[in-house]
Amino acid sequence: KNEVEQSPQNLTAQEGEFITINCSYSVGISALHWLQQHPGGGIVSLFMLSSGKKKHGRLIATINIQEKHSSLHITASHPRDSAVYICAVMKTSYDKVIFGPGTSLSVIP
Amino acid sequence: ETGVTQTPRHLVMGMTNKKSLKCEQHLGHNAMYWYKQSAKKPLELMFVYSLEERVENNSVPSRFSPECPNSSHLFLHLHTLQPEDSALYLCASSQAKGQGYTFGSGTRLTVV
Repeated sequence: KNEVEQSPQNLTAQEGEFITINCSYSVGISALHWLQQHPGGGIVSLFMLSSGKKKHGRLIATINIQEKHSSLHITASHPRDSAVYICAVMKTSYDKVIFGPGTSLSVIP
Repeated sequence: ETGVTQTPRHLVMGMTNKKSLKCEQHLGHNAMYWYKQSAKKPLELMFVYSLEERVENNSVPSRFSPECPNSSHLFLHLHTLQPEDSALYLCASSQAKGQGYTFGSGTRLTVV
């Protein structure tokens, strides 16, 4: 079993839909990152969370440390949001980052 | 541009070649990282440098050799690679180890 899992693996949405991507992990962590990878490979760091909720524009990230779960929400989705979204956690026992497998999002006009 | 620049963007090399990947950041960050992303696999951390000292090496084969001459530059020297080493190689930096990352655009490496 992978230490970091994401769901869904692939997601297709209509423009304007509300999107949720989930991340669950099985290790103790000090922080969780959400990353966005566009076709071609470039990666952008969206959020780093250790508790609660963060919002940036149409993106919202939440984390529940007790349940070992985080969600990334996109409101009013747009085709330019099409990308792979990656959850990455930093383990508390050792300063090591573990990446999830990614969720491939396609937003159709 | 994110502030982390990687060159070249694309590289095709034979198994007997020696080449180097370069990463440069002028964000004042103290930690730099090399990651490998193979098709359909999660990102894999290869090396971590903190204040120019290698602090992590994730069982990477010796045909990959990192070099960090100063806090702004990071190299990945490649020699006698295998076709399975074909992947996207990403460099990242952060203010301190483990804090928010800034990634470069990556080098798409093909070994023939």
